Amino acid sequence: AQRVTQPEKLLSVFKGAPVELKCNYSYSGSPELFWYVQYSRQRLQLLLRHISRESIKGFTADLNKGETSFHLKKPFAQEEDSAMYYCALGLSSGSRLTFGEGTQLTVNP
Amino acid sequence: DGGITQSPKYLFRKEGQNVTLSCEQNLNHDAMYWYRQDPGQGLRLIYYSQIVNDFQKGDIAEGYSVSREKKESFPLTVTSAQKNPTAFYLCASTESSGNTIYFGEGSWLTVV
Repeated sequence: AQRVTQPEKLLSVFKGAPVELKCNYSYSGSPELFWYVQYSRQRLQLLLRHISRESIKGFTADLNKGETSFHLKKPFAQEEDSAMYYCALGLSSGSRLTFGEGTQLTVNP
Repeated sequence: DGGITQSPKYLFRKEGQNVTLSCEQNLNHDAMYWYRQDPGQGLRLIYYSQIVNDFQKGDIAEGYSVSREKKESFPLTVTSAQKNPTAFYLCASTESSGNTIYFGEGSWLTVV
């Protein structure tokens, strides 16, 4: 069965520092990977997906099939990046998503 | 304003009572989902439905029931059989051809 692991429940960095939120997955086929974000008092929303290969709000994520990872990175963290981040795995278009446990990111001034 | 609406936002229930959480979407999405969000455990799938009048159990379906009589609506009933019902419940929907999930604002259920 597919599984998503986010090893860090809590991550704290200072403003302007680089940040990396780790995500590892287990699935033998070709997965679709996503990052979702939940800001305080807001609904969960899509941040980015690996297929798009885009940068959203300065965040990027590269799918590494060899290491089965999809780490989320940003070179210079901002206070407004403080939120809960979830990594998610989909097996094919339209299939159900499996979410990781989430990482609470706090960016300190 | 298109989107997913969950109600109520806050609900208290006595032990032994069933309670139903409402989820309505006007996005014309085929698939709908119910997740439970607990601290440190992420989002766990309770039930999902990919088409009207059809639904499947997710990873933690025991103690829950759903129905999908209309495309727009996917209510979740938390029954008295659910051993630990106090949680934050999220409803979501997607198009049948896509993986981008749209979430509701959630419902807090507290059993007293």
